[in-house]
Parts: sequence; structure tokens; C-alpha cells
Amino acid sequence: AQSVTQLDSQVPVFEEAPVELRCNYSSSVSVYLFWYVQYPNQGLQLLLKYLSGSTLVKGINGFEAEFNKSQTSFHLRKPSVHISDTAEYFCAVSEGRYGNKLVFGAGTILRVKS
Amino acid sequence: NAGVTQTPKFQVLKTGQSMTLQCAQDMNHEYMSWYRQDPGMGLRLIHYSVGAGITDQGEVPNGYNVSRSTTEDFPLRLLSAAPSQTSVYFCAAGLLGQGRNEQYFGPGTRLTVT
Repeated sequence: AQSVTQLDSQVPVFEEAPVELRCNYSSSVSVYLFWYVQYPNQGLQLLLKYLSGSTLVKGINGFEAEFNKSQTSFHLRKPSVHISDTAEYFCAVSEGRYGNKLVFGAGTILRVKS
Repeated sequence: NAGVTQTPKFQVLKTGQSMTLQCAQDMNHEYMSWYRQDPGMGLRLIHYSVGAGITDQGEVPNGYNVSRSTTEDFPLRLLSAAPSQTSVYFCAAGLLGQGRNEQYFGPGTRLTVT
């Protein structure tokens, strides 16, 4: 079974600073990778996904992630964060026959300070 | 188009009680799943379904039952609630198949078992 490790449980950052949320996965075979965001007291919303092709993936709200097969990483970045980016971010990898089963990391809470 | 809806939003149960968490989707997606979210553990898959009449166990199925009689509905039943089942439960729906893996999440049900 696959596993996902999010290396930081909390990341505090000042507004307008850049941020990187780190994610490593265990699989050595082809994978589909996702980042989801959860705002307080809400469900999860897809930020971006990597299925194939270009290793740099752009998502919503100015976020992007880079797939690195040799390092089995899928780090999420944003060049300038806003207060409204304060949320919990989950990295996930898909597995299973149909590729629909998601294995999630433990989550990283991004706290943006003014 | 409501997407994925879940009822109730909040529920308090006593140990040993049973209940059903409801999940419905109006997107005609084949794949539906239930996750539980616990602090520091991300989301863990309880049960999933690839179509009406077809269900299977995920990572943490003990104490839960599911059925899928229609494409739209995927209820989760707690047979005899235990304090360890205190959690936030999310239902998700998605298209089936490699490369179509995005999952759409409901708003969640917060369950407390005393």
C-alpha cells in the first residue's frame, strides 16, 4: 500500500511571503498525485492534480506543485500568500484498480500572519 | 446542481446506539466513498463503491456498513457506536477510471460518541 508523508504539520508565514508545503510519497510505480485544501469547517476542495505530462502543475488560487519522480516528491508552492490562504492542505496519491482510492497525508496547517 | 450533500451536519450518539449518515450526489458519478478525518491522521478510507450494487472495504472498515442501491445515494451505517468513532466523516464522489480521479467532497458530518 502506498503512503504519503507531509513533512510539516504546521507552517506559519507572513502575508505576501512565499511558501512551500512538502509532500513525499512511497510508490515507485506510476502515480496520480493531488493537493486538496480544507478551509475551516468545510469539506475538501481540489487545488491541483498531476496525472502525466509536465512536471509543473498549476492550480487554483495561484498555487503550483512540482512532481519529482526521482525524489518521490510533490511539493506545493505559492510565491506570495494571502491571509485567505490560511487553511489545512492535504497531499494525496491515488491507488487501486480504477485509480480512485485516495491515500492522504496527515495534513499541513498553513497559518498566514499579517 | 448541489454536488455532494451530507446529512446531518452534527450528531451526538451514546455508546451502543446505531445511526446512518446520509450521502447523496447529483453528478451521476460512478465512484463514491466515505472517509473519516481525525487530527494528525489526515483522511482514511472507510468504504467505497464503484457503482450501484458494488461496495468494498477501505483502510478502516470495522464498525461500519454501507450499501449502494442507487447511483445517487451511499449511506454509511454505524452498527453500535463507540467513542473511537468520534470523528468528522466525509463522503466523496467521482468519475471512474484512470485519469479521471478528481473526487468531489461533501461538507462533512461531525459525529461525537459519548
